[in-house]
Amino acid sequence: SAVISQKPSRDICQRGTSLTIQCQVDSQVTMMFWYRQQPGQSLTLIATANQGSEATYESGFVIDKFPISRPNLTFSTLTVSNMSPEDSSIYLCSVGRMSIQETQYFGPGTRLLVL
Amino acid sequence: DQQVKQNSPSLSVQEGRISILNCDYTNSMFDYFLWYKKYPAEGPTFLISISSIKDKNEDGRFTVFLNKSAKHLSLHIVPSQPGDSAVYFCAAVYSGAGSYQLTFGKGTKLSVIP
Repeated sequence: SAVISQKPSRDICQRGTSLTIQCQVDSQVTMMFWYRQQPGQSLTLIATANQGSEATYESGFVIDKFPISRPNLTFSTLTVSNMSPEDSSIYLCSVGRMSIQETQYFGPGTRLLVL
Repeated sequence: DQQVKQNSPSLSVQEGRISILNCDYTNSMFDYFLWYKKYPAEGPTFLISISSIKDKNEDGRFTVFLNKSAKHLSLHIVPSQPGDSAVYFCAAVYSGAGSYQLTFGKGTKLSVIP
């Protein structure tokens, strides 16, 4: 398995501001994912971040709102831009490998509250 | 439209008894199914998985059953322990076209009563 850390663990932000969430993995991984879990909802994939290429966004998520960086095989950032209260959620990064024999491992999450 | 559904938001079970968590899906193209456990303020932790070509997978106290014709899977925990109290997410994997995407259910909160 992989050990994943996220910063910050939680934050309270004002409407209209932006927050960058960092995800650090203790080993080199090809695929990193960013998820959102809104209150009472399932985990929803925002985007897949592969090193050396642009992130691939899921339907309903756009790069201008959620820019992602993946500078190397152990690190990624997700920025929540121009925040509104609807962005209040838990944001999780996860890592996985191409083989479906292996599962995804999740970080502890970042709890975001937008006022 | 939810492709993975967990219709029971919560479940309470006495310690020592069996816990059965259910999950239904709609996409017959899913290759793998996984169960994750999540404690408050922590990320989901992988628990057990099953390939779409199997109908049962067992790991200690945890057994997952898959009924492909019914598009239904279930997680059995025997015997249940208070430490099993958590939210359990069912997830399905479709690996077509080189992608590897998990689709999650909304979760079922399990409470094991001592």
